[in-house]
Parts: sequence; C-alpha cells; structure tokens
Amino acid sequence: DAKTTQPTSMDCAEGRAANLPCNHSTISGNEYVYWYRQIHSQGPQYIIHGLKNNETNEMASLIITEDRKSSTLILPHATLRDTAVYYCIVRPTGTASKLTFGTGTRLQVTL
Amino acid sequence: GAVVSQHPSWVICKSGTSVKIECRSLDFQATTMFWYRQFPKQSLMLMATSNEGSKATYEQGVEKDKFLINHASLTLSTLTVTSAHPEDSSFYICSASFPKDRVEKLFFGSGTQLSVL
Repeated sequence: DAKTTQPTSMDCAEGRAANLPCNHSTISGNEYVYWYRQIHSQGPQYIIHGLKNNETNEMASLIITEDRKSSTLILPHATLRDTAVYYCIVRPTGTASKLTFGTGTRLQVTL
Repeated sequence: GAVVSQHPSWVICKSGTSVKIECRSLDFQATTMFWYRQFPKQSLMLMATSNEGSKATYEQGVEKDKFLINHASLTLSTLTVTSAHPEDSSFYICSASFPKDRVEKLFFGSGTQLSVL
C-alpha cells in the first residue's frame, strides 16, 4: 500500500469543523483513499472513502486534490464523541486487499 | 454499516494456556477476514489474512504455529493463541471484507483485550 503522512495530533473546539489532512503523494491510479477512526479501546470505524471526486456522507466529507496527492477529512461540527485517532489509508480495491494502518492523527475535541 | 461481532471482549488467562477468539460477520458473508494486533499507544499491526476454506496467510514475523487461524465458514473466523505468554498480552481485532458496488469496505470487530498472567 502507498504510504500516507498525517499530523500526529490536532485539537478542535466542540461545534467547530475539524479538518484532518493527509498526504499520499505516491498514490497509484487504482488506489482509493479510505478514512477510519478508532475510539479508545474499540475497533476501527469506517468513515468514508473516495477515488478522485469529493465525497460526503452522514459522518464526514472527503476532499481530494485534483492531483490526488493529498486529501482532507472534514467533520463539519465536531463533538466530544469525535475524539479519536483518525487513520488515512490508501488501498487498491476490487480485491480483498488488506488495510495497512499508519500512526494516524489523534484528534482531541475540547469544550 | 455491516456488523462484525468479536467474542470475547476481554479474557484473562494463565501462562501456557490457549485462548480462542471468534470473529463473526452477522449480516453478510465474508470470504476474507483479517486479524490485527495492537499494543498500547501503537497502531494496528496486521497479523494474517484469513480466507474461507484455505490456509491463512501470515505477515512476516508472525508465528503461524502460535497464532492458529481457522476460517471454516463464510461468517466465522477464529484466532487461537496457543501456549500464551505475557508478551502475547495485547488488543486483538478482526475485520471482514464487505464488497458493495465493487468497492470494498472493511468492517471491524470491537476487539479482544487479552491479558496473560
């Protein structure tokens, strides 16, 4: 899997938008960008994924740059329950390929 | 999203005993499941890929005779930690592949905290 680079940690005030960046400059044409998060002592939770177009679901929005070398996960109105480690992963699809986790970004949402 | 059930949530065992962890896909069939291990304050490390009806594929450095994986059906994979020792104490997490619209998502179980005394 292509490697990703994320900031180690970020803070965000409750109610504000949380913007989590990810660099994946070596991404291949058949690789999707996936975002997962892990709340303490739980299994990772799927958030969103995309190939080249921006995506939005009930949890978040994913903005992918035109050259696909970076992306941003946006939590529009962060709450305390969004405090977690967020992982950006690039992975080919179409086959049962594994997810390789990096170190992720620890997001702390504060009052 | 799809549901992956993992059992037990936590287990304490004596050194030298074996522990079995179950991973079930509740509302879909998973031909492929993955097993991860996570030490405190570290990221998830892939241990092995489990394919229904065939032998598991282990990552480099993972002892296949110590971590036995069985994927006998499309909804169940088990990980057995044999002759557990304190250094095997960790958080074990399974995931199952859920194909939809030709784009796969992986859904994860809630994890099993293993403590070996």
